[in-house]
Amino acid sequence: LAKTTQPISMDSYEGQEVNITCSHNNIATNDYITWYQQFPSQGPRFIIQGYKTKVTNEVASLFIPADRKSSTLSLPRVSLSDTAVYYCLVGGRGSSNTGKLIFGQGTTLQVKP
Amino acid sequence: DTGVSQDPRHKITKRGQNVTFRCDPISEHNRLYWYRQTLGQGPEFLTYFQNEAQLEKSRLLSDRFSAERPKGSFSTLEIQRTEQGDSAMYLCASSLTEKQETQYFGPGTRLLVL
Repeated sequence: LAKTTQPISMDSYEGQEVNITCSHNNIATNDYITWYQQFPSQGPRFIIQGYKTKVTNEVASLFIPADRKSSTLSLPRVSLSDTAVYYCLVGGRGSSNTGKLIFGQGTTLQVKP
Repeated sequence: DTGVSQDPRHKITKRGQNVTFRCDPISEHNRLYWYRQTLGQGPEFLTYFQNEAQLEKSRLLSDRFSAERPKGSFSTLEIQRTEQGDSAMYLCASSLTEKQETQYFGPGTRLLVL
């Protein structure tokens, strides 16, 4: 799986938009980009996934430029409850792929009042 | 709730004892994964099953660790002769084969070896 690089930590205030950028220079053609969120003492939770351009769901948006060597997770109007660790992962689909996820250290987002 | 469940949520044991954890995946998911997470680190892959077949094991899974998924539904992870270094959160996840990068995690079992 492609290695990813993301900031170790970020601070924000309630109501602000937060953008977390992830670099994945060695992303393969069949790799998807997936973001997970993890609260303390809980398992990671799937947030969003994309292949190219922009994906939006009820939780976040994911922006992927044409070269796909980076991606940005955008959280609109964060609240205190968005304080968590956010992981960026890349990996391929298909039954020939084990699907094991390789997590880095993630980005610890601290939202302040 | 039809999510992934794990039991127990917490386990304290003495060094040298054996422990067993259980994971119940989402019912229609044919893939099941085990991960281990230590403080401040992201989860690390241990092993995974496609139905009842264990298809891959990480080098982290020493011979003291064994995992089973006998009927392709729930899975167990056993650690024999526990060591203090085994203290960690053990996470289970499940997915569909065709969406393996979208995994649904359980709440984890936190193990403390004294």
